[in-house]
Amino acid sequence: AQSVTQLDSHVSVSEGTPVLLRCNYSSSYSPSLFWYVQHPNKGLQLLLKYTSAATLVKGINGFEAEFKKSETSFHLTKPSAHMSDAAEYFCVVSDPYTGNQFYFGTGTSLTVIP
Amino acid sequence: EAEVAQSPRYKITEKSQAVAFWCDPISGHATLYWYRQILGQGPELLVQFQDESVVDDSQLPKDRFSAERLKGVDSTLKIQPAELGDSAMYLCASRPAWVLLSTEAFFGQGTRLTVV
Repeated sequence: AQSVTQLDSHVSVSEGTPVLLRCNYSSSYSPSLFWYVQHPNKGLQLLLKYTSAATLVKGINGFEAEFKKSETSFHLTKPSAHMSDAAEYFCVVSDPYTGNQFYFGTGTSLTVIP
Repeated sequence: EAEVAQSPRYKITEKSQAVAFWCDPISGHATLYWYRQILGQGPELLVQFQDESVVDDSQLPKDRFSAERLKGVDSTLKIQPAELGDSAMYLCASRPAWVLLSTEAFFGQGTRLTVV
């Protein structure tokens, strides 16, 4: 069975400081992993994805994530937070070998303090 | 740029009434998902279609919810009768046909349902 755990429901950072949003996954096989962002009253937007190529994945708006199989983690980072990064972030797991379902974590709400 | 279309964007209904949502996926996308997102929570998968066939509906409350994708293109999600606890955002997403290296899902803007 597949699942993701987002370890922090809320993260607060000051503008210009680094961002770390944590995600651990559980999958029977080699999964695909994604990070989506949802701004208030907006749809879900893909930030980045891991699909068994490079373990360090770069996404939009300066975000990146590293796939660590030994730790079953896929944490999202950004070197310097911007006010516009304030949003809800979701980690998603999908296993193409067991049905291709697309399972979401519970989300992390990021607040950026001026 | 191709998008997943959903309608209506907002729906207010009284409890015990029937309500339906419509989704038109990106052209050529064989996989279609319906999710429910309660305020402050992550999206929960309700049903997954591959073309016109249901692949996974294990989390769909089948006593009141139904979903169909008759020609393998657009899809309808219905609730009858609606209950207060059904108030949520209903999201539709689509993905291209089965591939070994997964592509992302593309999401519509959602339908926000309020049951009063």
